Amino acid sequence: QQPVQSPQAVILREGEDAVINCSSSKALYSVHWYRQKHGEAPVFLMILLKGGEQKGHDKISASFNEKKQQSSLYLTASQLSYSGTYFCGTKKYNFNKFYFGSGTKLNVKP
Amino acid sequence: EAQVTQNPRYLITVTGKKLTVTCSQNMNHEYMSWYRQDPGLGLRQIYYSMNVEVTDKGDVPEGYKVSRKEKRNFPLILESPSPNQTSLYFCASSLSKTPGGDTQYFGPGTRLTVL
Repeated sequence: QQPVQSPQAVILREGEDAVINCSSSKALYSVHWYRQKHGEAPVFLMILLKGGEQKGHDKISASFNEKKQQSSLYLTASQLSYSGTYFCGTKKYNFNKFYFGSGTKLNVKP
Repeated sequence: EAQVTQNPRYLITVTGKKLTVTCSQNMNHEYMSWYRQDPGLGLRQIYYSMNVEVTDKGDVPEGYKVSRKEKRNFPLILESPSPNQTSLYFCASSLSKTPGGDTQYFGPGTRLTVL
């Protein structure tokens, strides 16, 4: 039931790009992306509801494939402030439970 | 200020001693949920509520109880805590009744240690 998130960890230099993937075996009603800094609460980044949707702000964007089984989070020209753990959260059709992936730890170095 | 509050923020207790973690939101949100976070496992949903007096089990409900008597409050009750309930707990709320249809706002977290 839990979506599969990859990779588990990424180390980047400032200015480099990263992609984080989140996949499900069944079509999803929605995908959420959150970032969590150590010891803090997760912070909402964006939500995708439609197949084929892409959205973003600043240099962080996300896509949701047509079948609504996979989402990717794109971080371009990474900054030190991007460091943290990124989680995707998913809800399936006809189920009211909400599932998070196991997280991707992103470390951006100077 | 719009927010989700949790109390206490830190709690150390002993096995079997009943405890309640409170959660309150001031945004008139319909949906509220409790999660626990453990290293390597991400966040796992314990219970959720789509409305007053309407609650349902999440993925890991064993050993927990909840109630939703008022829209703003959603306390988490551990009747007889055990060491495997040592974890970081988050309460979250969202405007939409449909889980996953809207932004979830998280409380600051409660770090619970059961000895």
